[in-house]
Amino acid sequence: GDSVTQMEGPVTLSEEAFLTINCTYTATGYPSLFWYVQYPGEGLQLLLKATKADDKGSNKGFEATYRKETTSFHLEKGSVQVSDSAVYFCALIAGGFKTIFGAGTRLFVKA
Amino acid sequence: DTEVTQTPKHLVMGMTNKKSLKCEQHMGHRAMYWYKQKAKKPPELMFVYSYEKLSINESVPSRFSPECPNSSLLNLHLHALQPEDSALYLCASSQEDASTDTQYFGPGTRLTVL
Repeated sequence: GDSVTQMEGPVTLSEEAFLTINCTYTATGYPSLFWYVQYPGEGLQLLLKATKADDKGSNKGFEATYRKETTSFHLEKGSVQVSDSAVYFCALIAGGFKTIFGAGTRLFVKA
Repeated sequence: DTEVTQTPKHLVMGMTNKKSLKCEQHMGHRAMYWYKQKAKKPPELMFVYSYEKLSINESVPSRFSPECPNSSLLNLHLHALQPEDSALYLCASSQEDASTDTQYFGPGTRLTVL
């Protein structure tokens, strides 16, 4: 079945450090790929998405590129801030309504 | 307006109580979802409504009863819950049922069952 695998956290970085959170997927067909962020005590917010191979999603300094050949959608940011501390979920929709989420990666950014 | 609202924000209930969670969106979305999220876990899909009809029920126990009175509203009726049902309940909506659609999430209702 379809699945998403994320790197385990927590990830702890200093402010202005470079961030990479790895995400790989398994799916039949051509899924759409998403990164959601969840701040403490809140619901999920869409961070970025890509709907076909080689698309790059970007938002708020975060980027991810849909790599069909490596079935990956790694999240990157060049310079993290304390306010980026949150849980990040990689997800896919392969068809219909059902979103498949990764386990989530908790990010702590220290000042 | 890209907001999904949920009420109440917090709910504490006993195992014999009946309560309801409410979700509302005014984005004209035709698909609405209920998810359950336990601490430090990803959301788990419970139900999906499409055009006000139940489209997906992920084998959820009957003590959870969804209702979609109109295209903007989604309710989740709770009865005879168990302590293990304590979780964050998230509502979401999306435009249609296409696989590219973004789901917009509400802030959630944090439910505690005593």
